[in-house]
Parts: sequence; structure tokens; C-alpha cells
Amino acid sequence: DIVLTQSPGTLSLSPGERATLSCRASQGVSSSFLAWYQQKPGQAPRLLIYGASTRATGIPDRFSGSGSGTDFTLAISRLEPEDFAVYYCQQYGTSRKTFGGGTKVEIK
Amino acid sequence: QVQLQESGSGLVRPSQTLSLTCAVSGASMSSGPYTWSWIRQPPGKGLEWIGYIQHSGSTYYSRSLKSRLTFSIDGSKRQFSLMLNSVTAADTAMYYCARELLPGYFDFWGRGILVTVSS
Repeated sequence: DIVLTQSPGTLSLSPGERATLSCRASQGVSSSFLAWYQQKPGQAPRLLIYGASTRATGIPDRFSGSGSGTDFTLAISRLEPEDFAVYYCQQYGTSRKTFGGGTKVEIK
Repeated sequence: QVQLQESGSGLVRPSQTLSLTCAVSGASMSSGPYTWSWIRQPPGKGLEWIGYIQHSGSTYYSRSLKSRLTFSIDGSKRQFSLMLNSVTAADTAMYYCARELLPGYFDFWGRGILVTVSS
């Protein structure tokens, strides 16, 4: 199975700052089949990005995804108060999907 | 709007069988580029994909859980189900059902149901 490693584990930032989250795969993710999700406490994950860089319906353009192969990035251009949450990457290039361990974006 | 809702027992005894059902509304289960998935999350930990079932009944399971898992689907009732046998405390988790949009990301999720394995 493809192992996804997210870094950093925790990101401490202030509202208005830029966040950059990394997701590294143990082997190449075919066709950039990589998604990002946001999860807030007590809630189910919400799809943000699929295909490495395509925003899901209703996702603000301050969220952007990039990367290919084994290295992927989620960027949040200017953090809003509602963006403080845990973010997960997920690969679907193989039949057995896998998730990364998550990055928590917390208020500094 | 697509909605999914998990139901089932929130407390299961060790060695017994965990059974959950996901009710789907706002979408057809028998057409479209979708499969129907289960994902779990132990308390305070990350997400683990469990497997999926297609409307035809074909299944694909996580390697680590394959020997204990059974999925089923009933399109007429708009629901799909999970059975996990021989549970241990390690199976304690929030269980989510989700719609998987091919080629394989999850666009709609249920709210989740917490299942605790304890005597």
C-alpha cells in the first residue's frame, strides 16, 4: 500500500498568514490522484481538493493544491478563523486508498 | 443534496460482530460513477479506509481487515452495510460511510457513528 507522510504534524500560525502543508508518498501517485480534506472537531472530513489541484464545489480560492509524483502541497493563502482544523491527504491511485496522518493547523 | 446517515450499535462486546448500516438519500445508488465506502477513525487518531462496495455488489476491502469484513448493499432500500466480526478494543472508532466518486475520492460523508468495543 502507498504510505502518505504529512508534515509538519502541527502548524502554529496567526489569522491572515499563509499555511503550507506537505504530503509525501512512498511511491508515485498515478495521474495525480491525490485529494485533501479538512476536519474540524466533532465533524466528518470535508473534501477540499481532488486531482491534486482541483477545488471541490464551494471551496474558497484561498485553498490551492499542487504537486505530482510523490510530493504534494496544500496551501492556504490567508488563514481565516474557520480554517483552523486538521487536514488530511488521501491517494486514490491504487484500489486500496490510503490517508496521511494529518496536519493540525492551530492558532498561534 | 446527497446525505448519508450511519446507524447501528454503539457498543459491541469483544469477539462479537460489529454491524452498521448507511442510509443514502438524494442520490441513486444504482447509477453513476460512484461506489459506497466505509472509513474509520480511532479516537484522537487519523483516518483509515476500510473498503468499498459497488452497486453490483462487488467489494474491495482493506488488506488488514479483509478476513473479518463483509459488505452488502440494498439499492431498493437505498442503504449499504458493514459487518466486522471478532472485534477487539482496537476496532473502537468513529465509523463513517461515504460516497466515493470514481476514480476514488470521497465527496459526501455521513456524520459518523462512534462504536466502542468493551465488555
